[in-house]
Amino acid sequence: AAGVIQSPRHLIKEKRETATLKCYPIPRHDTVYWYQQGPGQDPQFLISFYEKMQSDKGSIPDRFSAQQFSDYHSELNMSSLELGDSALYFCASSFHPGLAGGRSSYEQYFGPGTRLTVT
Amino acid sequence: AQSVTQLGSHVSVSEGALVLLRCNYSSSVPPYLFWYVQYPNQGLQLLLKYTSAATLVKGINGFEAEFKKSETSFHLTKPSAHMSDAAEYFCAVRLRQAGTALIFGKGTTLSVSS
Repeated sequence: AAGVIQSPRHLIKEKRETATLKCYPIPRHDTVYWYQQGPGQDPQFLISFYEKMQSDKGSIPDRFSAQQFSDYHSELNMSSLELGDSALYFCASSFHPGLAGGRSSYEQYFGPGTRLTVT
Repeated sequence: AQSVTQLGSHVSVSEGALVLLRCNYSSSVPPYLFWYVQYPNQGLQLLLKYTSAATLVKGINGFEAEFKKSETSFHLTKPSAHMSDAAEYFCAVRLRQAGTALIFGKGTTLSVSS
């Protein structure tokens, strides 16, 4: 079965540089979530999009922005990178039938993550 | 506000022994509850979920969890531990609304010795 795809898998940047992480959800999934997991930490929610609109917002720094495109893939843009941004960034996707009915997936399926190292 | 508390950041068991990982939640409305497993340098894999159907939920790899509303708990169990079960386990909660985030517990590291 197709899974969530994230690219790149590894990324090394210097302080004050910018980075763009990409996420391709499972086919037919309409909701995308971004999480940040620091070393030895639990994943922290950053932001989510449902049908290309922002649906929930967590502890996302103002230096970060994200969007979901018409094909449902999403990009997380990170600017003015800091050493503390070094982490594993996960994307997850899910499906919500909304008014159309049908079975929701309820759960979020996670991608393999992008490991960002800021030096 | 929702939150999840995992009791015990590290649990050690012998191979073949019972595995019990504890999770308590707080939520103002009935939530969805999940257990995820994470192996080193890998993503999060869903073990099982509670979505208000059966209170005893069976998942993959022989794991199961029981939702107890009176105790606000969702503990994860496995009758007999395997070496391959050694990993980080996260309990998570979310509201029943499209696009809402998972709130994770701090995680429990399971070690299995032979």
